[in-house]
Amino acid sequence: AQSVAQPEDQVNVAEGNPLTVKCTYSVSGNPYLFWYVQYPNRGLQFLLKYITGDNLVKGSYGFEAEFNKSQTSFHLKKPSALVSDSALYFCAVRDGDSGYSTLTFGKGTMLLVSP
Amino acid sequence: AAGVIQSPRHLIKEKRETATLKCYPIPRHDTVYWYQQGPGQDPQFLISFYEKMQSDKGSIPDRFSAQQFSDYHSELNMSSLELGDSALYFCASSWTKGEQFFGPGTRLTVL
Repeated sequence: AQSVAQPEDQVNVAEGNPLTVKCTYSVSGNPYLFWYVQYPNRGLQFLLKYITGDNLVKGSYGFEAEFNKSQTSFHLKKPSALVSDSALYFCAVRDGDSGYSTLTFGKGTMLLVSP
Repeated sequence: AAGVIQSPRHLIKEKRETATLKCYPIPRHDTVYWYQQGPGQDPQFLISFYEKMQSDKGSIPDRFSAQQFSDYHSELNMSSLELGDSALYFCASSWTKGEQFFGPGTRLTVL
């Protein structure tokens, strides 16, 4: 079985400050990890992924995430938040070793960036 | 670049009616996934198809069925609709089991 935990329902940060949205995962095989963002009444937009290679992954809109195998974490970060980053963020995992290719999502974290 | 297309974008139905949601994957993608996202919930996997055959099955109710056609588009058929079926239904597509690209979703409201 595979699962994702996003421990924070909401993260508040002031514009210009760094932001972190936390994600931990559980998977029996090699983790393939993803971050998606969802704006109100919109679909899921892909931000970044970790499959293999460097633990620090850079993605869209200045976001990055760090894969930490020992802590089974894949936290999303951005050095300087923008008000337009305010949205719902989902972390997702799939087992890279299995034929079961579907994604399991976390519950989502609402990011609110204040001006 | 072409994206995943879903139709309709919004659908309102009465209880016990049927609904059909359509998904057109990105060209040359051979795998389609359906997810259901209830209000304030995370997306839950329903079912997927690879090369027109069902490949994985998640929490899809027996009242729902789906298929993938020869042109790789997929349809999710929902019968005997219940109030609890009100949700945002996402389709995603990928090339074999690669990265999934999501469509904008169909918002189904059951009254």
